[in-house]
Amino acid sequence: DAKTTQPNSMESNEEEPVHLPCNHSTISGTDYIHWYRQLPSQGPEYVIHGLTSNVNNRMASLAIAEDRKSSTLILHRATLRDAAVYYCILRPRNDMRFGAGTRLTVKP
Amino acid sequence: SAVISQKPSRDICQRGTSLTIQCQVDSQVTMMFWYRQQPGQSLTLIATANQGSEATYESGFVIDKFPISRPNLTFSTLTVSNMSPEDSSIYLCSHHRGLNTEAFFGQGTRLTVV
Repeated sequence: DAKTTQPNSMESNEEEPVHLPCNHSTISGTDYIHWYRQLPSQGPEYVIHGLTSNVNNRMASLAIAEDRKSSTLILHRATLRDAAVYYCILRPRNDMRFGAGTRLTVKP
Repeated sequence: SAVISQKPSRDICQRGTSLTIQCQVDSQVTMMFWYRQQPGQSLTLIATANQGSEATYESGFVIDKFPISRPNLTFSTLTVSNMSPEDSSIYLCSHHRGLNTEAFFGQGTRLTVV
């Protein structure tokens, strides 16, 4: 299975954009790229997903490199509530496997 | 979306006993999944539970320790058997409807074994 690599932690200031990177150099052509986040003391929640094209939703944007070997989750204006662990996950099959994720700290 | 209700939300159990965790989905789903999250760690997949077939366990997890039931398309249980302090973790259930869909997670069961 293809692996993902994310920075262990990142910091952001409130109301500023945040770019969370994910490397997946061994991704296969049919692997979907999913992002989830886990707020303290909660189960993971879906953020966004895509296959080849960039995607936007009310929570975030997902920018996928042309060669698909990396992607970036963009939070356009970070709030204190966005402080969480963000997981970049490849889905070649129905089961989902989590890496270590990136712990995002948002400073007021 | 299909909401997942998981219970209990937390429990403190004596070593050697068993605890059954329940997961209820408010609509029919084929695929359900169980995860363990050890303190300060990421989620680890325990098993996939599809209705009408035996659960499929990941390496390091066995049916005798973590028996799973999936009696219908809206319900599943995970039992943590013969517990030891090393089983103290958060256990979560999840479901989705395919690769191109979002997955939903329960709020988790925080288990402490003393």
